Amino acid sequence: ETGVTQTPRHLVMGMTNKKSLKCEQHLGHNAMYWYKQSAKKPLELMFVYNFKEQTENNSVPSRFSPECPNSSHLFLHLHTLQPEDSALYLCASSSRLSGQGGGETQYFGPGTRLLVL
Amino acid sequence: DQQVKQNSPSLSVQEGRISILNCDYTNSMFDYFLWYKKYPAEGPTFLISISSIKDKNEDGRFTVFLNKSAKHLSLHIVPSQPGDSAVYFCAASARNYGGSQGNLIFGKGTKLSVKP
Repeated sequence: ETGVTQTPRHLVMGMTNKKSLKCEQHLGHNAMYWYKQSAKKPLELMFVYNFKEQTENNSVPSRFSPECPNSSHLFLHLHTLQPEDSALYLCASSSRLSGQGGGETQYFGPGTRLLVL
Repeated sequence: DQQVKQNSPSLSVQEGRISILNCDYTNSMFDYFLWYKKYPAEGPTFLISISSIKDKNEDGRFTVFLNKSAKHLSLHIVPSQPGDSAVYFCAASARNYGGSQGNLIFGKGTKLSVKP
């Protein structure tokens, strides 16, 4: 596998379900991101992890819970979601230099298309 | 309020002609700009970037122009090919300011259709 991979590619879940999205990067990067893309909206940054530490939580509801066990893996745990959470969830990674504030080129996975019923 | 705006939701161009995609931004601290291309059912793919110290960057058929005084950048594709049909996202960041300012801010995208 190369680049950034995401599983599953498609997910349908009920509002009471618990599910997890997985992201893995094979680029040797140290920063990882979760984005949400809803129809006709810009990509919305949800979480940023830098060297496994969460550095940003962009006012995301607690029903979304990220986990970053190491620099190569990122999870998004989903619990009691709402229908309006249906969207494309994208993972990205980048190589963030120590002391650099970000804005490096990010490389994206294919996304997970989530539908909440 | 959107800091990065792509005011044209769609653009249709004939094969072989030039495609020009536009992007405007409002934050004067932005110092790094990127273009991504996205096909359906795939994630965005990095295309080309430009730092605010430059006003032009070229990579093959793709050229990005930056006009800092107008807070405007554009992506030129010459010649356009049917395989270029995709959604193009403009993104910007305040890379030298650090913290959340360094995060990428994306526009809504412009859907380019290149007709044979």
